[in-house]
Parts: sequence; structure tokens; C-alpha cells
Amino acid sequence: AQSVTQLDSQVPVFEEAPVELRCNYSSSVSVYLFWYVQYPNQGLQLLLKYLSGSTLVESINGFEAEFNKSQTSFHLRKPSVHISDTAEYFCAVSDPGTYKYIFGTGTRLKVLA
Amino acid sequence: DAGVTQSPTHLIKTRGQQVTLRCSPKSGHDTVSWYQQALGQGPQFIFQYYEEEERQRGNFPDRFSGHQFPNYSSELNVNALLLGDSALYLCASSGGGRAEAFFGQGTRLTVV
Repeated sequence: AQSVTQLDSQVPVFEEAPVELRCNYSSSVSVYLFWYVQYPNQGLQLLLKYLSGSTLVESINGFEAEFNKSQTSFHLRKPSVHISDTAEYFCAVSDPGTYKYIFGTGTRLKVLA
Repeated sequence: DAGVTQSPTHLIKTRGQQVTLRCSPKSGHDTVSWYQQALGQGPQFIFQYYEEEERQRGNFPDRFSGHQFPNYSSELNVNALLLGDSALYLCASSGGGRAEAFFGQGTRLTVV
């Protein structure tokens, strides 16, 4: 069975500092990987996705994630965070084409001034 | 494009009652999935509808049921509500050749 582990429940970081949110998954088959962001009292917004091809994927707002098959990881990084990045971040895995997501427990990113 | 819309946004029910939540998928999408997100947790997959049939189901009791209509909109029904059913219920629509799902804003259900 698939599972996702987000190792950090909370990550405090100062504004303009770099951040890494960790995600490890377990699956015996090929997978799609996603990062979603959730702002307070809102739904989930897609941040970025890995389907195939280049292992480094980027979002339009400066986040990037790298798929590492040997380490079964999909860590999210940003070189310089802003106050507006404060939110809950969820890593998810799915079997290709099923649209059934298994989510991690989330990491709360708090950017400090 | 209106995106994924859910109604109502908030709901308070009493233990033992029944509730119906509604979802309209994004234009061009034919698959609707429902998730339960308890406070401080990640979303948990309840079930998925495609072509008006339940295609996949997560580990939820039969008290949770659903329906998909010909226009692809969907309902989630929960019978005999328990306090533990209090959560944010998220609808996700997918299809149209895209690999990712799009989520609605959710319905916050409180059972008292």
C-alpha cells in the first residue's frame, strides 16, 4: 500500500531564508507526486507535480521539488521565503491515472519577520 | 471558469442526523473524489465517482455514500452522524486529460 511521510509537522523560518520541506513516500509501482498548499480555512491548491521526465520540477512562485527514486523522496524547497508563504503544505502520491491521492499529514510552514 | 464549487461552506448538525454535501466539478472534468480532512490531519480519501458509478472507495464505513449526476456534479451523504465526523470535507475534480486534481474550498461540518 502507498503511504506518504512528512517528517516535519512544523517548520519556522525567517523571511528571506531558504527552506526545505521533506516528503518520503512508499510505493511498489510508478507514481505521480504532488505538493499542495492550504491557506487557513481554504481548500488545497496545486503547487507543483511530478509525472515523469525531468526529476526537478518548479512552480511559478519560486518553489521547486526534486524526485529521487532511489531515496523515494520528493522534498520541496524555496531559496528565499516570504511572509505570504505561511501555510500548510501537503505532499501526495497517486497511481498514474487513478486520481486517488494519499496525503501526508502536512507541514506547517511559518515565516517569521 | 468557475472552478470546483462546494456547498454549503459551513454546516452544524446533531449526532444521529444525516447530512448531504454538494460539489460541482470544474468544467470539462468528469471524475469527482471526496476527502475528509480532520483538524490537523491530511485529507483522507473517501470515494470517487466516474460515469455515475463509485469507482474507488477508501476505508470509510457504509454510513458514507455518494452519488454522481449526469452533469458530473456529486453529492456526499453521511448517515447517523458521529462527533468524529466533524471535519472539512473536500471535493476534488479531475479529468479532461489533466493529471492533477483540483480541489474546492471545502465544507466545514461540525457535529454536536
